[in-house]
Amino acid sequence: AQKITQTQPGMFVQEKEAVTLDCTYDTSDPSYGLFWYKQPSSGEMIFLIYQGSYDQQNATEGRYSLNFQKARKSANLVISASQLGDSAMYFCAMREPYSGNTPLVFGKGTRLSVIA
Amino acid sequence: EPEVTQTPSHQVTQMGQEVILRCVPISNHLYFYWYRQILGQKVEFLVSFYNNEISEKSEIFDDRFSVERPDGSNFTLKIRSTKLEDSAMYFCASSEQGLNTGELFFGEGSRLTVL
Repeated sequence: AQKITQTQPGMFVQEKEAVTLDCTYDTSDPSYGLFWYKQPSSGEMIFLIYQGSYDQQNATEGRYSLNFQKARKSANLVISASQLGDSAMYFCAMREPYSGNTPLVFGKGTRLSVIA
Repeated sequence: EPEVTQTPSHQVTQMGQEVILRCVPISNHLYFYWYRQILGQKVEFLVSFYNNEISEKSEIFDDRFSVERPDGSNFTLKIRSTKLEDSAMYFCASSEQGLNTGELFFGEGSRLTVL
């Protein structure tokens, strides 16, 4: 079974608009961490934002916020005021149980295209 | 800003040959990983390494694959008897014990092409 599901293979958004990238996860472990990474066309993996399973508040990092709905097992990434440079692949990932040694498991990614 | 560095950026090899991909993790990090990404597909976990031994490996990491930390800085992935399906981008990553968010810091990748 897929641990991380990203149902949107591709998304388009107008510049300066907000966009939500969906991510659902599957785990029975109470301790886990959720991550979003950006992969521009150059190929590197850039960490964006993190949400811990015990965190009470949704994570925010600049224009990025994570809409964490624990009961629904979803961790959607919201990008506000989209910029052309936001065009990239976006990967949701999970670590469970959450510890320094556990590998990240990635979803298949969503390709975001920002239109001027 | 400290970063994970990988060499080579691109390696072309003949099927059946051996390749070594090199990584220099961030200096105070204790956990090391290799991932691969076949073109256009998701990033897949290969192996994690801690305290000079493999912690976990995926089914992709068969007996043709090995990792080593020969000195205090380098972390290498060796693939013996390369196959066409080994062609992919290989990412090295590291993370720091006790870091609040525990994110992995990735290198820029080494693209392996097996002909």
